[in-house]
Amino acid sequence: GAGVSQTPSNKVTEKGKYVELRCDPISGHTALYWYRQSLGQGPEFLIYFQGTGAADDSGLPNDRFFAVRPEGSVSTLKIQRTERGDSAVYLCASSLTGDVQFFGPGTRLTVL
Amino acid sequence: AQTVTQSQPEMSVQEAETVTLSCTYDTSESNYYLFWYKQPPSRQMILVIRQEAYKQQNATENRFSVNFQKAAKSFSLKISDSQLGDTAMYFCAFMKYNNNDMRFGAGTRLTVKP
Repeated sequence: GAGVSQTPSNKVTEKGKYVELRCDPISGHTALYWYRQSLGQGPEFLIYFQGTGAADDSGLPNDRFFAVRPEGSVSTLKIQRTERGDSAVYLCASSLTGDVQFFGPGTRLTVL
Repeated sequence: AQTVTQSQPEMSVQEAETVTLSCTYDTSESNYYLFWYKQPPSRQMILVIRQEAYKQQNATENRFSVNFQKAAKSFSLKISDSQLGDTAMYFCAFMKYNNNDMRFGAGTRLTVKP
């Protein structure tokens, strides 16, 4: 596809469960970012990948959150032992040049 | 730490008129980027316009232009000839040069009325 895609579009889970959110960046984009957007707020940075490695994970809120990008393309954001406060829209973005980021449509996570 | 402030939670404008959205930021950096992103109900963030801090000339993209005042740390967005499709949340964002941590403001909800 031409743009960044994210699956699933919506995810409903129960407190304490494990979830995985997937991001397919634009082909050829080496940089990939995850953001979390709570209701009524702007996106907050979570983690940045350059290639396969996490170049900056300073935005991950705690050790329940983890992300991987094993082949330098698709990335998965993993959340363990989900809490109600994790409910938000999780946005993924990719970039070729490092200054302009192209965003996907996001995954809305609801933790009941 | 860098902060981005959008002081207008909501704004409205009549179709075909002009509207200006405000943004201020706080940084000690001299080299950085500023952005305006649009987020319609579909949730997808769409880049509207980008400004490099070292460039004095204000960026322009068709009906969208910015007023970048570096000394005042102000970066407002002007939308001319507003269209119904401009209705969306607008986010101002800051990113340090050679750093990938983009900081967003809280957003301004713009409604264009027919």
